[in-house]
Amino acid sequence: RKEVEQDPGPFNVPEGATVAFNCTYSNSASQSFFWYRQDCRKEPKLLMSVYSSGNEDGRFTAQLNRASQYISLLIRDSKLSDSATYLCVVNSRAGTALIFGKGTTLSVSS
Amino acid sequence: SAVISQKPSRDICQRGTSLTIQCQVDSQVTMMFWYRQQPGQSLTLIATANQGSEATYESGFVIDKFPISRPNLTFSTLTVSNMSPEDSSIYLCSVPGPRGGYTFGSGTRLTVV
Repeated sequence: RKEVEQDPGPFNVPEGATVAFNCTYSNSASQSFFWYRQDCRKEPKLLMSVYSSGNEDGRFTAQLNRASQYISLLIRDSKLSDSATYLCVVNSRAGTALIFGKGTTLSVSS
Repeated sequence: SAVISQKPSRDICQRGTSLTIQCQVDSQVTMMFWYRQQPGQSLTLIATANQGSEATYESGFVIDKFPISRPNLTFSTLTVSNMSPEDSSIYLCSVPGPRGGYTFGSGTRLTVV
């Protein structure tokens, strides 16, 4: 079983749509959770950290369910500029390497 | 968060040769990580580079193939040795950042012909 699993997509949605990405992780000792965004031919960039209580940043909402080892990202009112690959990332301990999912590709069209 | 300068940004190399990739960080960091991203795949950790000690390699990666240097807390190099077409990938360095997130270099896009 892969350490971090994501639905690869692609998700093709119209502008204004709401889209949700899911992710599961296998290591129950994982301590930190993130969503990264990677644009084509670019390095990954931190989109948001994910906290147990759930957290929101504008149109983006992230949730974590430790019992189910499940992470989600909800994007509301999708914009063309949201088109990218979204990487689910976990970290077992601060200062150690990140473990990446394969990413979910989102394409938002007008 | 830290700013990383990674060089070269891309290269096309002949098989059997070696390429050294450099990452310079604008602040001192204890740990630096080297990743590989093969076409259409996600990032795979190659090794963790510690200053003053040998790098720690992940399963499937060996020092002879991917020697790493970490001479100080702001700099590291990764060498891809005796290259074959299978080594064609994007190579990225990364350091821990604030709020738990990590910062990445802009990547080195390597094509081996």
